[in-house]
Amino acid sequence: NAGVTQTPKFQVLKTGQSMTLQCAQDMNHNSMYWYRQDPGMGLRLIYYSASEGTTDKGEVPNGYNVSRLNKREFSLRLESAAPSQTSVYFCASSEVNTEAFFGQGTRLTVV
Amino acid sequence: DQQVKQNSPSLSVQEGRISILNCDYTNSMFDYFLWYKKYPAEGPTFLISISSIKDKNEDGRFTVFLNKSAKHLSLHIVPSQPGDSAVYFCAASGTSSGNTGKLIFGQGTTLQVKP
Repeated sequence: NAGVTQTPKFQVLKTGQSMTLQCAQDMNHNSMYWYRQDPGMGLRLIYYSASEGTTDKGEVPNGYNVSRLNKREFSLRLESAAPSQTSVYFCASSEVNTEAFFGQGTRLTVV
Repeated sequence: DQQVKQNSPSLSVQEGRISILNCDYTNSMFDYFLWYKKYPAEGPTFLISISSIKDKNEDGRFTVFLNKSAKHLSLHIVPSQPGDSAVYFCAASGTSSGNTGKLIFGQGTTLQVKP
């Protein structure tokens, strides 16, 4: 039982490049999340998906797009990466009002 | 506007003593609260939760207290152990209208338990 799997684990991008962070969960959860963690800022919600086919903006959505491809997968896309998007990104899944399970994170550096 | 706030960035406690981590929230629609623990280079892991219909929930050495009127929750760890040294995040969510179950986190508190 893998839980929440994120790929890649590390990535270095040049300013202006695009990339997609992949996330998959095998717990049959309806809700999925993308967070970024920055020093002193905690975990900030980028986007949220309450169910397959629905997405909703979180606290810091600018510069990102998401796709809830199916119930298992929720991807995060950076269309034109900026140094301010250097961060650690976490994907999570849950049912509503139950604990969320997190992936191991993707450490992204934009130079 | 930070809806969930942890105003203490760090806390240092002696092994065997009590650790008290605090969290405040502003959104009265939140009805479910959680605490997570995070070690470096790992994802956060769930510790304990509490529903707004309760004011206390206990699980082994961990107890969470909820004061709805003050919009405040706290996590007590007794006794504290060196292995508890980590970053602790509080989080909140709600399912009422306008708050569709988004899980919002605080900034985190780094706990150091000294042997």
